[in-house]
Amino acid sequence: DSGVTQTPKHLITATGQRVTLRCSPRSGDLSVYWYQQSLDQGLQFLIHYYNGEERAKGNILERFSAQQFPDLHSELNLSSLELGDSALYFCASSSPRQGGNTEAFFGQGTRLTVV
Amino acid sequence: DAKTTQPPSMDCAEGRAANLPCNHSTISGNEYVYWYRQIHSQGPQYIIHGLKNNETNEMASLIITEDRKSSTLILPHATLRDTAVYYCIVRVEAGGSYIPTFGRGTSLIVHP
Repeated sequence: DSGVTQTPKHLITATGQRVTLRCSPRSGDLSVYWYQQSLDQGLQFLIHYYNGEERAKGNILERFSAQQFPDLHSELNLSSLELGDSALYFCASSSPRQGGNTEAFFGQGTRLTVV
Repeated sequence: DAKTTQPPSMDCAEGRAANLPCNHSTISGNEYVYWYRQIHSQGPQYIIHGLKNNETNEMASLIITEDRKSSTLILPHATLRDTAVYYCIVRVEAGGSYIPTFGRGTSLIVHP
């Protein structure tokens, strides 16, 4: 158990809909990262939050957005869903350490299926 | 883009050592090398990391060459449960953040 909790584990929804994925980081971790992993694809970085502020964006579509709340949990919002958005979505968290070199711990992911 | 190069696949006999290589020739002086693994569709699992000295923990050993341009992850006695995709990563700096950036990794198959 990594200490990172993601809900829901599975989500099935129709095209055009909007969903929210939730991530609770490990206790004390200020950084949250979101990743997308499509079938047989690598882990694609989406976005990074640190202590409530957006710090870096990767290959995140404009239809997707995220936020990190004062209690440090994070939500990833996916809207106008398309079939191609079907994927595993992972959240990771890490704690600050000198130089930013800290290991990240991943949740078990949310499997999103768009039908 | 990932800053590491790994063979796409390897196999290993159960009980033998699995040695997974990684090339990170563009690594800078203060960047750590991290290893993760992902067992079929589960969340990536942190294994070990290092800067320039060899490291060992309960899961694996990490050998980093003196010039730091490559490293090897060693699973000393591989089991069937070690079958997974292994990722060697060097964090990519973006907007002041260091982002774990994954390539395609090495698919390790441990066979009986």
